[in-house]
Amino acid sequence: QSVLTQPPSVSGAPGQRVTISCTGSSSNIGAGYDVHWYQQLPGTAPKLLIYGNSNRPSGVPDRFSGSKSGTSASLAVTGLQSEDEADYYCQSYDTSLSGYVFGTGTKVTVL
Amino acid sequence: EVHLVESGGGLVQSGGSLRLSCAASGFSFSSSWMSWVRQAPGKGLEWVANIKQDGSEKYYVDSVKGRFTISRDNAKNSLYLQMNSLRDEDTAVYYCAREGGGYYMDVWGKGTTVTVSS
Repeated sequence: QSVLTQPPSVSGAPGQRVTISCTGSSSNIGAGYDVHWYQQLPGTAPKLLIYGNSNRPSGVPDRFSGSKSGTSASLAVTGLQSEDEADYYCQSYDTSLSGYVFGTGTKVTVL
Repeated sequence: EVHLVESGGGLVQSGGSLRLSCAASGFSFSSSWMSWVRQAPGKGLEWVANIKQDGSEKYYVDSVKGRFTISRDNAKNSLYLQMNSLRDEDTAVYYCAREGGGYYMDVWGKGTTVTVSS
């Protein structure tokens, strides 16, 4: 089972700002490991959205931003657009499991 | 252009075996850690295994230890996942992914579907 907890769903109107939380523990996020975020559009493979807590790969709009504090992290989407409707996953490394862990996933709906 | 293409998925009976392949192109495969990640129908992502550039280090999620083996052939720019003693709960889309050097996956294939039927 996932060791990183995310809200199952968030929604917002076009143009609004939404945030997705990712809660971990002292063996992953709290141990200092970076958090990364992926976007998965319906029926497609995941795509790297944010790496190293707050860095955007080339081509990712600056509407997407990430942050980390303590045992949690968050992804913010500003200026929400219809094409942002997707599932979003956080990911980190867990020292107790000696492997990568993903969040439970959050479905973003644009109203 | 960087590309990862998985193959080898299919329908297999519980207890059976399957070998997945991932063909890489457009980047230095031999310089990259590589991972397999799976997604059960309607479920979230689960990291399965990864392998170091030279194959000297391999790591697995607990649920597949002793049943799955990750390997690579740098001469063929290919990654593999040998899956034995398959269970119903192994049914998923399996993605091949390149690791970006900071414990994250920066390039993903489109996936191959494995269905285990009892």
